Amino acid sequence: ELKVEQNPLFLSMQEGKNYTIYCNYSTTSDRLYWYRQDPGKSLESLFVLLSNGAVKQEGRLMASLDTKARLSTLHITAAVHDLSATYFCAVEGDDKIIFGKGTRLHILP
Amino acid sequence: DVKVTQSSRYLVKRTGEKVFLECVQDMDHENMFWYRQDPGLGLRLIYFSYDVKMKEKGDIPEGYSVSREKKERFSLILESASTNQTSMYLCASSLVGLAGYEQYFGPGTRLTVT
Repeated sequence: ELKVEQNPLFLSMQEGKNYTIYCNYSTTSDRLYWYRQDPGKSLESLFVLLSNGAVKQEGRLMASLDTKARLSTLHITAAVHDLSATYFCAVEGDDKIIFGKGTRLHILP
Repeated sequence: DVKVTQSSRYLVKRTGEKVFLECVQDMDHENMFWYRQDPGLGLRLIYFSYDVKMKEKGDIPEGYSVSREKKERFSLILESASTNQTSMYLCASSLVGLAGYEQYFGPGTRLTVT
């Protein structure tokens, strides 16, 4: 059974700092997605990672996928307050897509 | 831009009522999904559909049914609403293909069952 674990589940950090959110999954997959959700809003697609070694970057966010380690990371560089949100990874496998529980990111100004 | 719309942003229903949640997408996507989102539990898949009149159970289908009579519309039905179905309901759609299954989400319906 496919399981997806994110950590940390909650992260409070200062503006200007760097940090990484981790997404581990339990079965073979080479397709992984990152989403952002602002409070009271729906989910918005950030990155689509479709192969081992895939790396995508947008602004201060960079996502990567290591299918051998069954791990994806979402790296935040020089965080700004506008990046405060909940971030979800989702993994495709076993004919379904399973979401992690989300990482609630709070960036202090 | 892909647009996924849901019929209501907020809904309050009484226990035992039959509840219909509608979702419409305008990008000719084959796949459509219904999730519920609860604090601490993340998103859980209720049902999905990969074609008109086709449906597959997700992880928590009990107490729900779905209907997909047209490609653009996917309805979630609560046959007899109960208080434990109070939640945020999210609809999503995606293409089928080598480009993956990036999902596009609707704004959500916050349902309260009293």
